[in-house]
Amino acid sequence: QKEVEQNSGPLSVPEGAIASLNCTYSDRGSQSFFWYRQYSGKSPELIMFIYSNGDKEDGRFTAQLNKASQYVSLLIRDSQPSDSATYLCAVWRGSYIPTFGRGTSLIVHP
Amino acid sequence: NAGVTQTPKFQVLKTGQSMTLQCAQDMNHNSMYWYRQDPGMGLRLIYYSASEGTTDKGEVPNGYNVSRLNKREFSLRLESAAPSQTSVYFCASSVEGYEQYFGPGTRLTVT
Repeated sequence: QKEVEQNSGPLSVPEGAIASLNCTYSDRGSQSFFWYRQYSGKSPELIMFIYSNGDKEDGRFTAQLNKASQYVSLLIRDSQPSDSATYLCAVWRGSYIPTFGRGTSLIVHP
Repeated sequence: NAGVTQTPKFQVLKTGQSMTLQCAQDMNHNSMYWYRQDPGMGLRLIYYSASEGTTDKGEVPNGYNVSRLNKREFSLRLESAAPSQTSVYFCASSVEGYEQYFGPGTRLTVT
């Protein structure tokens, strides 16, 4: 069974620190990797996507992919209280169905 | 450009009642999805439609039916609601293999 694993948290970091969120996946054929942010009571929204090994940066966010070790991570630099949310990792294998992790709750405290 | 819209936003049903959740997207996406989200369970796929005219079961299809009415619209029907179907329901659409766009969700309570 294809699985995507995330630590449920909560991960608590002080304002201004780097938050590191991790996701591991079991299917070596996975091709596309996505990070979504979900505020309480709201729907998920895309933060980052990555297809190739290495790092991809977008503002304060960096996605890191290591296919050999089957993990993808999301770094949030200069964390702000407004970053407090649940972060969902999603993995596609090239079929029509992505597999989602259960999400990691992030709390950024002032 | 509204993205993905869902109706209703909230609904309370009694056990055994039926209802249809509506979803529409204006992004010309081929693929559409219905998920339910329960505390601690993440997003679980109920049904999906890879293209107009096709539908397939996801992880938790029992108790639900779907209709892909046209490329824009994908509805989810509960024929006989049960308390176990109390959840938040999200519709999503995408180009295959790319990011999904989610609707605002429907909060359903079955008493």
